[in-house]
Amino acid sequence: RKEVEQDPGPFNVPEGATVAFNCTYSNSASQSFFWYRQDCRKEPKLLMSVYSSGNEDGRFTAQLNRASQYISLLIRDSKLSDSATYLCVVNILGGGADGLTFGKGTHLIIQP
Amino acid sequence: EAQVTQNPRYLITVTGKKLTVTCSQNMNHEYMSWYRQDPGLGLRQIYYSMNVEVTDKGDVPEGYKVSRKEKRNFPLILESPSPNQTSLYFCASKQGARSEAFFGQGTRLTVV
Repeated sequence: RKEVEQDPGPFNVPEGATVAFNCTYSNSASQSFFWYRQDCRKEPKLLMSVYSSGNEDGRFTAQLNRASQYISLLIRDSKLSDSATYLCVVNILGGGADGLTFGKGTHLIIQP
Repeated sequence: EAQVTQNPRYLITVTGKKLTVTCSQNMNHEYMSWYRQDPGLGLRQIYYSMNVEVTDKGDVPEGYKVSRKEKRNFPLILESPSPNQTSLYFCASKQGARSEAFFGQGTRLTVV
C-alpha cells in the first residue's frame, strides 16, 4: 500500500465552484501534514500546513482526520489561477529518512 | 530573500560526462534533500542530509552522489550520467524534522 495516496484527477471544475479533495496516509506515526501547490514544471510551493483543529487561509480550508488517516483541502469560489497540481505531504518521523513523503498529486483544472 | 537556489536551470549533456548540479540555501536549514520528478511517478527522493557531513540514501540513489561540506550547500553529482537520468530535479531544505520544505526552482536535465 502506498504511504500517501491521492486521486490524480484531473478534476475539471467551473470557475466559482467549490472543490474538495482528500489524501489518505498509511503511517499512523505521521506527525505533520502539508498541502503544496505545483504549477506545470515549476517547483512545489507550500500552500498551507494542516493542523489537528483544521485551519483556513482565505478561500482554502484544510482538515486533518487522524482517526481515519486522511487530510482534505477545500477550495471555495475557485479562480482560474487555482489550476495546478496539489500535492499532499506527510511528515513521518523515524525510520531513517528525513520524513517527508509526497503524494503524486491531484490535478485541478478550473474552467471559465 | 529566503530561498533555495539551484544551478543550472537547464542542462543537456551526453552519456558519461560527469556533471554537478549545485544547490544553496540561505535559511540556515539543517535538512537538505534532492528529488527527481518524472511523469506518473511523482517526487522521489534521491539523497538527503540532516546536517553537515551527514548524508543518506533516499528511494532512488543509484547513479548519484552528494556531499554536505557546508550547511548551506548540497550539490548533486552524476559521475556518469545515463539517459534514464533525464528528469526534472529539485533541491529542498527544511529547518527541522517536522518542518515544511522549501524547494529550489528545479533543474531540467536531458542526457542524450
